[in-house]
Amino acid sequence: EPEVTQTPSHQVTQMGQEVILRCVPISNHLYFYWYRQILGQKVEFLVSFYNNEISEKSEIFDDQFSVERPDGSNFTLKIRSTKLEDSAMYFCASRGHYEQYFGPGTRLTVT
Amino acid sequence: QQQVKQSPQSLIVQKGGIPIINCAYENTAFDYFPWYQQFPGKGPALLIAIRPDVSEKKEGRFTISFNKSAKQFSLHIMDSQPGDSATYFCAASRGGGADGLTFGKGTHLIIQP
Repeated sequence: EPEVTQTPSHQVTQMGQEVILRCVPISNHLYFYWYRQILGQKVEFLVSFYNNEISEKSEIFDDQFSVERPDGSNFTLKIRSTKLEDSAMYFCASRGHYEQYFGPGTRLTVT
Repeated sequence: QQQVKQSPQSLIVQKGGIPIINCAYENTAFDYFPWYQQFPGKGPALLIAIRPDVSEKKEGRFTISFNKSAKQFSLHIMDSQPGDSATYFCAASRGGGADGLTFGKGTHLIIQP
């Protein structure tokens, strides 16, 4: 069964450093998403991506964040200068018809 | 307003019981309502979803009830098992576009043997 994959599973970085989180969506899906989940809290939408451009973004997705689909399979989230409050699980999701399928997540720890 | 309000925050049910989790939304533009199950350290897994043209949908032991006029929907788990112990999230979106999901705060469900 096709699934969304994400790498790395864990990322530890120092405050102010750049990080790139990677995702491989399900191959025939056209809509791609990033969400984050701070420990013990709800899942929060960051950004959606369709037809090689951002479709929608939340208030959380400020100028420190960017997304890219550099080739036909990968979908990346870049955080330019990480802050302590960026520590969270980051989930990639892809959508076929209506259903969004989530990857296993990347745990980002900013020290 | 984009909020989705979920209750209860936590729930303990005996094996075989029927836990019920409720959600309410405010945005009348929402037309897609999924439920996700999440185990610790894992990503949310899609359980079942409903669109407002039906009032109920069943998939296996999971049932969604939907009340469009009240802007509420709920998840029922029949014949609950200890393996169903997890956090459950309701969500909502405008299904046709690229909109992200708006999630509820989650319900931590424990099924006691």
